[in-house]
Parts: sequence; C-alpha cells; structure tokens
Amino acid sequence: KAGVTQTPRYLIKTRGQQVTLSCSPISGHRSVSWYQQTPGQGLQFLFEYFSETQRNKGNFPGRFSGRQFSNSRSEMNVSTLELGDSALYLCASSLLTPDYGYTFGSGTRLTVV
Amino acid sequence: KNEVEQSPQNLTAQEGEFITINCSYSVGISALHWLQQHPGGGIVSLFMLSSGKKKHGRLIATINIQEKHSSLHITASHPRDSAVYICAVYSGGGADGLTFGKGTHLIIQP
Repeated sequence: KAGVTQTPRYLIKTRGQQVTLSCSPISGHRSVSWYQQTPGQGLQFLFEYFSETQRNKGNFPGRFSGRQFSNSRSEMNVSTLELGDSALYLCASSLLTPDYGYTFGSGTRLTVV
Repeated sequence: KNEVEQSPQNLTAQEGEFITINCSYSVGISALHWLQQHPGGGIVSLFMLSSGKKKHGRLIATINIQEKHSSLHITASHPRDSAVYICAVYSGGGADGLTFGKGTHLIIQP
C-alpha cells in the first residue's frame, strides 16, 4: 500500500514569506500529525488532526497552522517565515492514535533565507 | 510532560557486534516507538511496544513498564544499520503526539 506522501521534498523561502506543506496519509488513516525537526531542538510535536478537527497542538506560535480535508489529506502553513523556521517538517499518519501504529513521511526540508 | 532519555548519544562499533540502545521515560505511557532515521531525513518506524518484547529480523525491542525503560538490540550488526535511532513515547488519553528522545547516532564500521 502507498505510504505517507509529503510534498514538496525541498523548499527555499525568504524571510517574511509564507509556505504551505502537504501530507497525504495512508489510505484509511484518519489521524495526521506534524512534527518539526531541527538540530538544536530535535523532533517536536506541532499539531494533530483527526477527522478534519485539530485534536492536539504543541507549543508553537500561531504562525504555524494546519488543516485537514475530508479525504484526510492535511496541509500545514507557516506565515511570516523566520530564519529559525528552517527545519525538516515531518508528518505521520495513524489509523486513530499513535498507539495504533504510526507511519512517517519522508519530510519536507524547508530552508528560510 | 514526559521526559525521554536515550543512551548512548553516539555509538561506534565494528561489524558483527551486538548493539544495545537504551531509553528511559518519566511518566506512564500507552505506547513506545523505536524509529530509525537515515541521512536525508526519512523516518522508519521499527517497533511499537506497549509491553514485553518484539523481534524483527536482527532487531529486538524490549520494554519494562514498571521500570519505565526500553532497549533496542541489534544482533550481528552491519554497516547498513548505521543510522540515528530514536525512542518516542505516547502517553495516550489525548496526549500531545509523540515525545522524542534526542536519538542515538550509530556507526557500524566494516
């Protein structure tokens, strides 16, 4: 079966711009979570969507937002980009919750210049 | 908030050696994940554990719920096992996603 697909794989943006990243979960998975990975902070939870509703949110500023569509595909948006937003953004999908198993996408590497 | 500690942070070993990576967490969990990340970024889920032991090929993962501790073992290690291994826990009950350890950088030399 197809895995979790993230697009684009690489992205370069300028400070102040906004960016939208996309994640298509495994077919049938209703939960999509987003994570940020940086060398300094490691992997950190951004938010989780389940059946088009944000179920949980990590400790990130309001510039980070997301949504989930009826087909479970999810997007995350970062507005007013800062240099510190440069990171690998990973999404993961699960049938219901992370204790039902978890599959990660390959990530989107965002560079802010 | 769960605190996840992994050890060692870095490990270099010779091909064929038995490898052990440890993970401790501070608060009860509903599941623990062992993840593998190769250069380039993609993360592969190796195991999900809530109790006992699981084995897949040369990889073995164990968890002791009472001691809040898990280990990942690699038998007959091979250079292709070189990667970052990350322990992550899920506390359940609407918790905020996974909480991750900082990872163990493993290098297996031929």
